[in-house]
Amino acid sequence: DAGVIQSPRHEVTEMGQEVTLRCKPISGHDYLFWYRQTMMRGLELLIYFNNNVPIDDSGMPEDRFSAKMPNASFSTLKIQPSEPRDSAVYFCASSLVGAGNTIYFGEGSWLTVV
Amino acid sequence: GEDVEQSLFLSVREGDSSVINCTYTDSSSTYLYWYKQEPGAGLQLLTYIFSNMDMKQDQRLTVLLNKKDKHLSLRIADTQTGDSAIYFCAERESSASKIIFGSGTRLSIRP
Repeated sequence: DAGVIQSPRHEVTEMGQEVTLRCKPISGHDYLFWYRQTMMRGLELLIYFNNNVPIDDSGMPEDRFSAKMPNASFSTLKIQPSEPRDSAVYFCASSLVGAGNTIYFGEGSWLTVV
Repeated sequence: GEDVEQSLFLSVREGDSSVINCTYTDSSSTYLYWYKQEPGAGLQLLTYIFSNMDMKQDQRLTVLLNKKDKHLSLRIADTQTGDSAIYFCAERESSASKIIFGSGTRLSIRP
């Protein structure tokens, strides 16, 4: 399997612009997670889905952030409008219930908002 | 709420053993994990332990779990330069299925 695939790997955008991050989970996995990593706050869980349904979005920082999972093989995290404090690495991860409930991470999307 | 704590830094000499410690607060945690993150990369699963186990060994890695004290440790035997990375401890409840990560311990190796 190719693992969790994220795009873009790197993005630099201007403040106020819309940013869309994409994720393809491992085929067959029924959970999908979005995390954000910064030096100051470490690794934060933003939202997670089970069978394409959002289960817990309490980590989403504010209304500028939204996430969707239209089908089992695709999810997006959107920031509109973006702000410099949104600069971070955004990780997507997926897992399958059972076998240790292990989650597998993508390589991350490195976002810089200037 | 759930919380996972780790020390931020650890420095060891090449060839020595590294011990990275972690404490967690949620007594209902079912699975506990160790992940490794190298610079510019995502998190890579190293190993995990089920809460009814005390110890798990996998080659150079030994995980010890003290459920009474809610303490987890990762021992890396014969530490090599390639072990330099950030190591994350994480816990997961079987019911909620979200995974909570610690802040990570940056392991540096000195010659």
